Amino acid sequence: NAGVTQTPKFRVLKTGQSMTLLCAQDMNHEYMYWYRQDPGMGLRLIHYSVGEGTTAKGEVPDGYNVSRLKKQNFLLGLESAAPSQTSVYFCASTLRGVGNQPQHFGDGTRLSIL
Amino acid sequence: ELKVEQNPLFLSMQEGKNYTIYCNYSTTSDRLYWYRQDPGKSLESLFVLLSNGAVKQEGRLMASLDTKARLSTLHITAAVHDLSATYFCAVDSGGSNYKLTFGKGTLLTVNP
Repeated sequence: NAGVTQTPKFRVLKTGQSMTLLCAQDMNHEYMYWYRQDPGMGLRLIHYSVGEGTTAKGEVPDGYNVSRLKKQNFLLGLESAAPSQTSVYFCASTLRGVGNQPQHFGDGTRLSIL
Repeated sequence: ELKVEQNPLFLSMQEGKNYTIYCNYSTTSDRLYWYRQDPGKSLESLFVLLSNGAVKQEGRLMASLDTKARLSTLHITAAVHDLSATYFCAVDSGGSNYKLTFGKGTLLTVNP
Protein backbone atom coordinates (compact mmCIF):
# COMPACT_ATOMS: atom_id res chain seq x y z
CA ASN A 1 0.00 0.00 0.00
CA ALA A 2 1.68 3.18 -1.20
CA GLY A 3 -0.67 5.69 0.51
CA VAL A 4 0.76 9.19 0.05
CA THR A 5 4.01 9.42 -1.91
CA GLN A 6 6.12 12.57 -2.11
CA THR A 7 8.81 13.23 -4.69
CA PRO A 8 11.64 14.14 -4.26
CA LYS A 9 12.65 13.26 -0.71
CA PHE A 10 15.56 15.72 -0.58
CA ARG A 11 16.54 18.71 -2.67
CA VAL A 12 19.01 21.57 -2.49
CA LEU A 13 18.28 24.70 -4.51
CA LYS A 14 19.97 28.01 -5.05
CA THR A 15 18.12 31.22 -4.36
CA GLY A 16 15.99 32.16 -7.33
CA GLN A 17 15.68 28.68 -8.77
CA SER A 18 12.32 27.08 -9.29
CA MET A 19 11.06 23.58 -8.59
CA THR A 20 7.95 21.49 -8.21
CA LEU A 21 7.18 19.03 -5.44
CA LEU A 22 4.89 16.17 -6.35
CA CYS A 23 2.38 14.48 -4.08
CA ALA A 24 0.57 11.38 -5.26
CA GLN A 25 -2.06 9.38 -3.36
CA ASP A 26 -3.66 6.09 -4.32
CA MET A 27 -6.54 6.12 -1.81
CA ASN A 28 -9.03 7.99 -4.00
CA HIS A 29 -9.07 10.85 -1.53
CA GLU A 30 -10.77 14.08 -2.53
CA TYR A 31 -8.98 16.40 -0.12
CA MET A 32 -5.27 17.10 -0.31
CA TYR A 33 -3.05 19.49 1.65
CA TRP A 34 0.45 20.91 1.62
CA TYR A 35 2.15 21.85 4.90
CA ARG A 36 5.53 23.10 5.87
CA GLN A 37 7.23 22.13 9.13
CA ASP A 38 9.81 24.36 10.73
CA PRO A 39 11.54 23.78 14.07
CA GLY A 40 9.32 24.83 16.96
CA MET A 41 6.47 25.87 14.66
CA GLY A 42 4.41 22.74 14.25
CA LEU A 43 2.91 22.28 10.80
CA ARG A 44 1.46 25.21 8.88
CA LEU A 45 -0.93 24.87 5.98
CA ILE A 46 0.31 26.30 2.68
CA HIS A 47 -2.44 25.41 0.18
CA TYR A 48 -5.13 22.79 -0.05
CA SER A 49 -7.53 21.26 -2.52
CA VAL A 50 -11.03 19.89 -2.01
CA GLY A 51 -11.18 18.17 -5.38
CA GLU A 52 -9.76 17.88 -8.85
CA GLY A 53 -9.32 21.29 -10.45
CA THR A 54 -9.78 23.24 -7.20
CA THR A 55 -7.21 24.86 -4.93
CA ALA A 56 -7.31 27.31 -2.05
CA LYS A 57 -4.88 29.26 0.12
CA GLY A 58 -3.94 28.17 3.59
CA GLU A 59 -2.15 29.99 6.37
CA VAL A 60 1.20 30.65 4.62
CA PRO A 61 0.62 30.67 0.83
CA ASP A 62 3.00 33.44 -0.25
CA GLY A 63 5.77 32.29 -2.59
CA TYR A 64 4.02 29.04 -3.49
CA ASN A 65 1.62 27.90 -6.18
CA VAL A 66 -0.29 24.65 -6.50
CA SER A 67 -2.18 22.66 -9.08
CA ARG A 68 -4.55 19.69 -8.92
CA LEU A 69 -5.06 18.61 -12.51
CA LYS A 70 -5.64 14.99 -11.55
CA LYS A 71 -7.45 13.75 -8.47
CA GLN A 72 -4.52 11.66 -7.32
CA ASN A 73 -1.84 14.35 -7.71
CA PHE A 74 -1.23 17.64 -5.93
CA LEU A 75 1.75 19.72 -7.05
CA LEU A 76 3.47 22.43 -5.03
CA GLY A 77 5.59 24.92 -6.95
CA LEU A 78 8.22 27.40 -5.89
CA GLU A 79 8.70 29.91 -8.69
CA SER A 80 11.70 31.74 -7.22
CA ALA A 81 13.07 29.97 -4.18
CA ALA A 82 14.15 32.00 -1.15
CA PRO A 83 16.18 30.89 1.90
CA SER A 84 13.05 31.42 4.05
CA GLN A 85 11.48 28.50 2.20
CA THR A 86 14.03 26.08 3.59
CA SER A 87 11.80 23.61 5.39
CA VAL A 88 10.35 20.13 5.45
CA TYR A 89 7.25 19.91 3.29
CA PHE A 90 4.51 17.40 3.99
CA CYS A 91 1.60 16.43 1.83
CA ALA A 92 -1.55 14.92 3.32
CA SER A 93 -4.87 13.63 2.06
CA THR A 94 -8.25 12.62 3.45
CA LEU A 95 -11.66 11.42 2.33
CA ARG A 96 -14.33 13.96 1.43
CA GLY A 97 -17.03 14.50 3.96
CA VAL A 98 -15.68 12.01 6.42
CA GLY A 99 -14.55 13.98 9.44
CA ASN A 100 -13.74 10.91 11.43
CA GLN A 101 -10.89 10.03 9.12
CA PRO A 102 -7.51 11.55 9.95
CA GLN A 103 -5.33 13.13 7.34
CA HIS A 104 -2.77 10.68 5.96
CA PHE A 105 0.72 12.09 5.55
CA GLY A 106 3.55 11.43 3.14
CA ASP A 107 7.15 10.99 4.24
CA GLY A 108 8.07 14.60 3.56
CA THR A 109 10.43 16.50 1.28
CA ARG A 110 13.45 18.12 2.88
CA LEU A 111 14.24 21.28 0.94
CA SER A 112 17.24 23.53 1.47
CA ILE A 113 17.59 26.88 -0.28
CA LEU A 114 21.12 28.28 -0.36
CA GLU B 1 -8.39 32.72 13.80
CA LEU B 2 -8.01 29.36 15.45
CA LYS B 3 -5.02 29.04 17.76
CA VAL B 4 -3.83 25.76 19.23
CA GLU B 5 -1.53 25.69 22.21
CA GLN B 6 0.22 22.62 23.54
CA ASN B 7 2.05 22.30 26.79
CA PRO B 8 4.54 21.38 27.76
CA LEU B 9 6.66 21.75 24.62
CA PHE B 10 9.40 19.59 26.10
CA LEU B 11 8.88 16.70 28.46
CA SER B 12 11.56 14.48 29.91
CA MET B 13 10.29 11.64 32.02
CA GLN B 14 11.47 8.40 33.52
CA GLU B 15 10.23 5.02 32.48
CA GLY B 16 7.28 3.87 34.55
CA LYS B 17 6.01 7.36 35.31
CA ASN B 18 2.70 8.95 34.29
CA TYR B 19 2.23 12.30 32.65
CA THR B 20 -0.26 14.39 30.69
CA ILE B 21 0.14 16.60 27.64
CA TYR B 22 -2.41 19.39 27.25
CA CYS B 23 -3.87 20.87 24.10
CA ASN B 24 -5.93 24.06 24.36
CA TYR B 25 -7.64 25.70 21.41
CA SER B 26 -9.26 29.07 20.95
CA THR B 27 -12.49 28.58 18.99
CA THR B 28 -15.30 26.07 18.99
CA SER B 29 -14.48 22.73 17.41
CA ASP B 30 -15.53 19.15 17.97
CA ARG B 31 -12.91 17.46 15.80
CA LEU B 32 -9.47 16.98 17.25
CA TYR B 33 -6.64 14.71 16.23
CA TRP B 34 -3.46 13.49 17.87
CA TYR B 35 -0.40 12.55 15.85
CA ARG B 36 2.99 11.09 16.64
CA GLN B 37 6.18 11.95 14.78
CA ASP B 38 9.49 10.13 15.17
CA PRO B 39 12.65 12.08 14.28
CA GLY B 40 12.99 12.53 10.53
CA LYS B 41 9.77 10.65 9.87
CA SER B 42 6.22 11.30 8.81
CA LEU B 43 3.22 11.90 11.06
CA GLU B 44 1.29 8.89 12.29
CA SER B 45 -2.32 9.24 13.37
CA LEU B 46 -2.94 8.19 16.98
CA PHE B 47 -6.44 9.30 17.88
CA VAL B 48 -9.49 10.94 16.36
CA LEU B 49 -11.78 12.67 18.86
CA LEU B 50 -15.12 13.82 17.48
CA SER B 51 -17.38 14.79 20.33
CA ASN B 52 -17.47 16.25 23.80
CA GLY B 53 -16.39 13.67 26.33
CA ALA B 54 -14.76 11.42 23.75
CA VAL B 55 -12.09 9.16 25.18
CA LYS B 56 -9.82 6.89 23.19
CA GLN B 57 -7.13 4.53 24.46
CA GLU B 58 -4.36 2.65 22.75
CA GLY B 59 -1.82 0.86 24.87
CA ARG B 60 -0.22 3.30 27.31
CA LEU B 61 -1.80 6.36 25.69
CA MET B 62 -5.24 7.76 26.39
CA ALA B 63 -6.73 10.87 24.79
CA SER B 64 -9.80 12.82 25.82
CA LEU B 65 -11.73 15.83 24.57
CA ASP B 66 -13.67 18.48 26.47
CA THR B 67 -15.20 20.76 23.85
CA LYS B 68 -16.72 23.10 26.42
CA ALA B 69 -13.31 23.78 27.96
CA ARG B 70 -11.69 23.63 24.50
CA LEU B 71 -9.18 21.20 25.91
CA SER B 72 -7.80 17.83 24.96
CA THR B 73 -5.39 15.76 26.99
CA LEU B 74 -3.02 12.96 26.06
CA HIS B 75 -2.24 10.87 29.11
CA ILE B 76 0.77 8.60 29.24
CA THR B 77 0.68 5.71 31.67
CA ALA B 78 3.83 3.92 32.82
CA ALA B 79 5.98 5.40 30.11
CA VAL B 80 8.44 3.26 28.16
CA HIS B 81 11.36 4.35 25.99
CA ASP B 82 9.50 3.48 22.77
CA LEU B 83 7.08 6.32 23.46
CA SER B 84 9.84 8.88 22.91
CA ALA B 85 8.66 11.05 20.00
CA THR B 86 7.03 14.38 19.23
CA TYR B 87 3.28 14.50 19.76
CA PHE B 88 1.04 16.95 17.97
CA CYS B 89 -2.56 17.84 18.48
CA ALA B 90 -4.45 19.27 15.54
CA VAL B 91 -7.85 20.93 15.56
CA ASP B 92 -10.30 21.06 12.69
CA SER B 93 -11.34 24.65 12.10
CA GLY B 94 -14.84 23.60 11.11
CA GLY B 95 -16.71 23.68 7.84
CA SER B 96 -16.34 21.27 4.97
CA ASN B 97 -12.66 21.82 4.17
CA TYR B 98 -11.32 19.70 7.04
CA LYS B 99 -8.41 22.08 7.48
CA LEU B 100 -6.24 21.39 10.50
CA THR B 101 -4.43 23.83 12.75
CA PHE B 102 -1.56 22.17 14.56
CA GLY B 103 -0.04 22.83 17.93
CA LYS B 104 3.72 23.29 18.08
CA GLY B 105 4.23 19.77 19.34
CA THR B 106 5.49 18.20 22.55
CA LEU B 107 8.90 16.53 22.40
CA LEU B 108 8.71 13.60 24.77
CA THR B 109 11.87 11.87 25.94
CA VAL B 110 11.50 8.79 28.12
CA ASN B 111 14.66 7.94 30.00
CA PRO B 112 15.51 4.49 31.38
